[in-house]
Amino acid sequence: GAGVSQTPSNKVTEKGKYVELRCDPISGHTALYWYRQSLGQGPEFLIYFQGTGAADDSGLPNDRFFAVRPEGSVSTLKIQRTERGDSAVYLCASSPGQGNTGELFFGEGSRLTVL
Amino acid sequence: KQEVTQIPAALSVPEGENLVLNCSFTDSAIYNLQWFRQDPGKGLTSLLLIQSSQREQTSGRLNASLDKSSGRSTLYIAASQPGDSATYLCASRQPSGTYKYIFGTGTRLKVLA
Repeated sequence: GAGVSQTPSNKVTEKGKYVELRCDPISGHTALYWYRQSLGQGPEFLIYFQGTGAADDSGLPNDRFFAVRPEGSVSTLKIQRTERGDSAVYLCASSPGQGNTGELFFGEGSRLTVL
Repeated sequence: KQEVTQIPAALSVPEGENLVLNCSFTDSAIYNLQWFRQDPGKGLTSLLLIQSSQREQTSGRLNASLDKSSGRSTLYIAASQPGDSATYLCASRQPSGTYKYIFGTGTRLKVLA
């Protein structure tokens, strides 16, 4: 597609449930990032993929969070046993990858609300 | 550990004014610095990207400068318009080891008609 696509745009779930958020990057972009943004704050880094592998997952807050990118394109962020503190906007970005300018292109985000 | 700070947190100006937004970073060894615009409830839109070897970049009424030695970048907006009202965020990327971007908390700009 022309831009980074994220689904769903909004997700409301109950505490303790499992959630999956999907990101479809710009075609040909090898680098993919997940960020989390709380109200009034800047985006907080979660994880970075180069191709299929997670090159840096140092931002994942705990083992309830996991992300995959099995074919080096679409990525899924998975959150187990959701807590109210997980409520935030989850942003995905892609970049042409190593050796390029490194410019980031963001999707519109998935707003997660945990009741 | 890189820290990025943006001051002021909020700014309100009359239409037509030229203005400067500030971004400071603690580690001068950056790969690049990118400025973004974010409208309420939306994702981030890339405005300007400055590589570490560059001093400034321009796009239309926007000019971004980079001074690595002082750990600062500025975004200059000329002849501001109500449509410029948004939150402006800067982010720096480290040169090696990790390709993650560290973001500031943003400056919320309101341009009054």
